[in-house]
Amino acid sequence: DAGITQSPRYKITETGRQVTLMCHQTWSHSYMFWYRQDLGHGLRLIYYSAAADITDKGEVPDGYVVSRSKTENFPLTLESATRSQTSVYFCASSAGGGYTFGSGTRLTVV
Amino acid sequence: AQSVTQLDSQVPVFEEAPVELRCNYSSSVSVYLFWYVQYPNQGLQLLLKYLSGSTLVESINGFEAEFNKSQTSFHLRKPSVHISDTAEYFCAVSKGYQKVTFGTGTKLQVIP
Repeated sequence: DAGITQSPRYKITETGRQVTLMCHQTWSHSYMFWYRQDLGHGLRLIYYSAAADITDKGEVPDGYVVSRSKTENFPLTLESATRSQTSVYFCASSAGGGYTFGSGTRLTVV
Repeated sequence: AQSVTQLDSQVPVFEEAPVELRCNYSSSVSVYLFWYVQYPNQGLQLLLKYLSGSTLVESINGFEAEFNKSQTSFHLRKPSVHISDTAEYFCAVSKGYQKVTFGTGTKLQVIP
């Protein structure tokens, strides 16, 4: 199916564990983004990528790692999960003129 | 740096009444402006955007927004809301096509 898909939709993990959130897009958009959404903060940019093998930090990158070996994939890894990383994570892609968002991953760190 | 302010966190309105959701931005350069809508348990969807040209932009479901450079505003309006418009609305700004900055959102609650 065409579009942008995130997996998993829901994830519960323990403090200190590594967890990876997946994002896949089928349009070959050059730009991809990771945001987290929290009450009272709206959406905050974690990392973004302008193309394969090109990534850059956003507003709140600490504790996260990204990679982009292929244009269509942009995984987000929490190296050692903390409770403050409990959030809803959205991936987005863009070719210009606005984003297309995935459905999100609700991550709970216990 | 650019920023977006949505002063109203919640806006209740009766069905078929008009609504305005306020958005103000700050930026030292020309910007692109967006409104996104988020329904429960879903991602954000682009509602409308201003990139250039006419300052009044419209969506397919009856919303409109007007870019006002002198007041640095991009308020969203609809003359008659429907129950299905109940959602959270996010205003956003970018100085190019990328790296969009979002406001904190306004929850529109349409009352039957």
